[in-house]
Amino acid sequence: AQTVTQSQPEMSVQEAETVTLSCTYDTSENNYYLFWYKQPPSRQMILVIRQEAYKQQNATENRFSVNFQKAAKSFSLKISDSQLGDTAMYFCAFMKLSGYALNFGKGTSLLVTP
Amino acid sequence: KAGVTQTPRYLIKTRGQQVTLSCSPISGHRSVSWYQQTPGQGLQFLFEYFSETQRNKGNFPGRFSGRQFSNSRSEMNVSTLELGDSALYLCASSLGLRVGDQETQYFGPGTRLLVL
Repeated sequence: AQTVTQSQPEMSVQEAETVTLSCTYDTSENNYYLFWYKQPPSRQMILVIRQEAYKQQNATENRFSVNFQKAAKSFSLKISDSQLGDTAMYFCAFMKLSGYALNFGKGTSLLVTP
Repeated sequence: KAGVTQTPRYLIKTRGQQVTLSCSPISGHRSVSWYQQTPGQGLQFLFEYFSETQRNKGNFPGRFSGRQFSNSRSEMNVSTLELGDSALYLCASSLGLRVGDQETQYFGPGTRLLVL
């Protein structure tokens, strides 16, 4: 079974600063997908960024980037130039290539302050 | 393109009743997955359907069931409701073809179920 661990239940960052959210996972699979989802207080889960394990290059999406360390089974999310609208719960998720279920971490609640 | 829609958005039921939740996927998506979100257990996978067939199932009791129709819309049913079934039920859709970058799940707003 795959487990996803987010060791930071809550984090806070000031507007315009940079913050990094941690995620580690445990799997015996060699090929898989990793995701970061964002769930604002309105509850709509939104995809932030995704990474395929067979790609060595770290994924980036505008202000969001990941540091994917396959050997260490680590997948952290960096948010640059934080904005108030980034306030949300952030979930790290894992999916095997051979399955269709997302395995989620417990989430990190991020608060961006003025 | 319209996103994933779920109905109803809120439900209040009593113990022992049954409930049916509905999910309409993004147009063209043939895979629908269901998740239960609670403060204690977090997000847990219930099941996934593709072309009217259940392909994957999580570790939930048989009281939780689902189905998918030919237009890819999906319903999940919970029978004999228990207090612990109170949760946000999220539906997600994807192409379901396991083709590289296409395998991303997009979530609906969820149905908030309260069991009294």
